[in-house]
Amino acid sequence: GIQVEQSPPDLILQEGANSTLRCNFSDSVNNLQWFHQNPWGQLINLFYIPSGTKQNGRLSATTVATERYSLLYISSSQTTDSGVYFCAVELGSSNTGKLIFGQGTTLQVKP
Amino acid sequence: NAGVTQTPKFQVLKTGQSMTLQCAQDMNHNSMYWYRQDPGMGLRLIYYSASEGTTDKGEVPNGYNVSRLNKREFSLRLESAAPSQTSVYFCASSEGSAGNTEAFFGQGTRLTVV
Repeated sequence: GIQVEQSPPDLILQEGANSTLRCNFSDSVNNLQWFHQNPWGQLINLFYIPSGTKQNGRLSATTVATERYSLLYISSSQTTDSGVYFCAVELGSSNTGKLIFGQGTTLQVKP
Repeated sequence: NAGVTQTPKFQVLKTGQSMTLQCAQDMNHNSMYWYRQDPGMGLRLIYYSASEGTTDKGEVPNGYNVSRLNKREFSLRLESAAPSQTSVYFCASSEGSAGNTEAFFGQGTRLTVV
């Protein structure tokens, strides 16, 4: 089956720093989403980005579907950015919305 | 507009007990999903439903049953709970049409089986 690999697994930042999280996937995809799981366990939608680039405030994401990777950029990090960031993909042959998740990147932003 | 609502938020069961996790969405979505999240891992799909009256197995369906009661509601049942089913359970929904499968998640149910 499709493999979804996220890097780095853990990241510690000082408040105000920038970071890039990476998601590699091993097959063509219909859908790619980035989520933030906050310390209370809630999954928050960040981006729905099967291809191209999107920006939302301090966050932006780029997916290069032909090269099978996506990047999540966090600029001027804040302590509220702490938590786990998940990349999830839907197989290109699927069209069902069934997601396969990576293992996540755990981010800690220190004040 | 509450999105996806799950009940209960927390539950402790004894081995062998049964229970049903409830999920409802108010976004008029066609597709609904149940995932489980184990410590330090991403979510894995248990079951999904493409439309009212249809269900299909996901990656980890053993020990679970589901019911798509109507377009809004999708329940997950544990007939005889086992400690291996201790996990956080998430319900999700999506429009489900080609090119529009963005998933939205409920707040999760933390289940402990002792």
